[in-house]
Amino acid sequence: AQKVTQAQTEISVVEKEDVTLDCVYETRDTTYYLFWYKQPPSGELVFLIRRNSFDEQNEISGRYSWNFQKSTSSFNFTITASQVVDSAVYFCALSALGDYKLSFGAGTTVTVRA
Amino acid sequence: DSGVTQTPKHLITATGQRVTLRCSPRSGDLSVYWYQQSLDQGLQFLIQYYNGEERAKGNILERFSAQQFPDLHSELNLSSLELGDSALYFCASTEGSASHNEQFFGPGTRLTVL
Repeated sequence: AQKVTQAQTEISVVEKEDVTLDCVYETRDTTYYLFWYKQPPSGELVFLIRRNSFDEQNEISGRYSWNFQKSTSSFNFTITASQVVDSAVYFCALSALGDYKLSFGAGTTVTVRA
Repeated sequence: DSGVTQTPKHLITATGQRVTLRCSPRSGDLSVYWYQQSLDQGLQFLIQYYNGEERAKGNILERFSAQQFPDLHSELNLSSLELGDSALYFCASTEGSASHNEQFFGPGTRLTVL
């Protein structure tokens, strides 16, 4: 069974601060995929990134960066120089090869204050 | 815009009633997934269809059923509604049958059971 833990329920920062969201996962599969989704106040789920278990390179996309460490089963997400538009709920998710679903964490609510 | 459409956007109904939620996947996508997002259960996978056939089931109640039609749109039927069924219901689609492909989510249907 797959399990994703996002221990941080809520994070509140002031604009321009960096914020790091933690994601720890559990799986017995050797091939799996990790995802981050953003859910802004409007409610839709927006795909941010997908990473497979064989690719441990960190990734940067604009102000977003991701740190994947298999040794600690973590896939953390950092927003650099946060902006008010980053306020949303962020979900980490996991899917094993051959699985038919995404297993989501509980989500972390990020509030960026001006 | 993910290309996945869901109707209606909002639905308010009474306990004991039956409702149908509709989803149209992105053009070319053969898989449709249904998820339920509630405050107490988080985001949970309900069911997946691939090219008209049921592929996987998650935590879907017996009162709920779904189908995918030849034109690939899908409907989720919820019957004998209870207060606890109030939630945001998402549909997602992928081209193939594997959930590790990027799933494109629709805007969701917010169901309120009074």
